[in-house]
Amino acid sequence: TAGITQAPTSQILAAGRSMTLRCTQDMRHNAMYWYRQDLGLGLRLIHYSNTAGTTGKGEVPDGYSVSRANTDDFPLTLASAVPSQTSVYFCASSVGSNTEAFFGQGTRLTVV
Amino acid sequence: LAKTTQPISMDSYEGQEVNITCSHNNIATNDYITWYQQFPSQGPRFIIQGYKTKVTNEVASLFIPADRKSSTLSLPRVSLSDTAVYYCLGRLTGGYNKLIFGAGTRLAVHP
Repeated sequence: TAGITQAPTSQILAAGRSMTLRCTQDMRHNAMYWYRQDLGLGLRLIHYSNTAGTTGKGEVPDGYSVSRANTDDFPLTLASAVPSQTSVYFCASSVGSNTEAFFGQGTRLTVV
Repeated sequence: LAKTTQPISMDSYEGQEVNITCSHNNIATNDYITWYQQFPSQGPRFIIQGYKTKVTNEVASLFIPADRKSSTLSLPRVSLSDTAVYYCLGRLTGGYNKLIFGAGTRLAVHP
């Protein structure tokens, strides 16, 4: 079972460019999440989705957008990247809010 | 659960029991208490979850007092491979799935 798959694994992006981080899960989980983790720090919630067709803002949503067109996919888009968005991005999914969340392997993004 | 507070770091030695406490003063009635473990360059991994009293699995125990304003993760007889960051989860106010991580406790296990 693949679980959660993120792509790409890493990326160097020029400031001002746009980019979409992909996240796909094959567990048919209702809830999905995007977190960022800066070097040496904890995870911060960017956006989340309770179910297909709905999304919500987390702790640090500015500069990011998400969509949830179907159950499996939850892409994260940076419309115009800035160096402060350099981070490791983790996607996760869970059946519901009170259940175990499964994380992807992360995408390491460097904005220069 | 709202925001959570836990110690920044802890040190231990192989074979010892480690207890990490998390404070969650604003816990909601229907919130569970969940802990995750994270190794370097990996995503977090679920360890244990509970609602009240004590929960035990093959990895850890979770102690929750009656008022549920705190919880203690207990790792029995730690080994070097338990060196990791341990997170107590919270939830942003008003958000069904706004699961947020605390700052985490960096546990270092020494030989």
